[in-house]
Amino acid sequence: KAGVTQTPRYLIKTRGQQVTLSCSPISGHRSVSWYQQTPGQGLQFLFEYFSETQRNKGNFPGRFSGRQFSNSRSEMNVSTLELGDSALYLCASSASGDSSYNEQFFGPGTRLTVL
Amino acid sequence: GENVEQHPSTLSVQEGDSAVIKCTYSDSASNYFPWYKQELGKGPQLIIDIRSNVGEKKDQRIAVTLNKTAKHFSLHITETQPEDSAVYFCAVIKAAGNKLTFGGGTRVLVKP
Repeated sequence: KAGVTQTPRYLIKTRGQQVTLSCSPISGHRSVSWYQQTPGQGLQFLFEYFSETQRNKGNFPGRFSGRQFSNSRSEMNVSTLELGDSALYLCASSASGDSSYNEQFFGPGTRLTVL
Repeated sequence: GENVEQHPSTLSVQEGDSAVIKCTYSDSASNYFPWYKQELGKGPQLIIDIRSNVGEKKDQRIAVTLNKTAKHFSLHITETQPEDSAVYFCAVIKAAGNKLTFGGGTRVLVKP
């Protein structure tokens, strides 16, 4: 079974630009979550999508947004990039949205550098 | 919100020795406790997890123990090998949803 895939793997942008990252979950998984990883703040939850609906949201500004398509693939968008948005963005997929089965599997991440 | 503290932040062990990483959490409603291993340039990999109705779980050289009363859980790696060198993260999830709250990570170095 193929794992979680994320594209692109590396991205360089300048301040003020916007960026879109893509995540394809494990086949059959319907829940996709996004995390930001930085040396200073560690791993922080951005949001979760299940069946095309945002179910949970972390404490990030509105510049961070996402969506999920009917095939469970997800995208996240960051508008008006700031230097502090430089991070590894990780996507995790889970088979189910209920509390009885919460194993989450991560992709390799997209390394975003904002200059 | 939930707060997870992880100790130590770095751990250096001799090959063959054991390694122990400890985490404490604040929300008593947390009921799922996974551990992830992250190697350089890769995403976190789930290595073992435990649910709140279980006190201990073992998988070959790794084991996790959970003390719900004290709100802490630990990862134990026995007979460490150089390939165990990585950053390890503990995490918790509350009863509903898939939001993981992570500890700060432990960088483990296994010296041959």
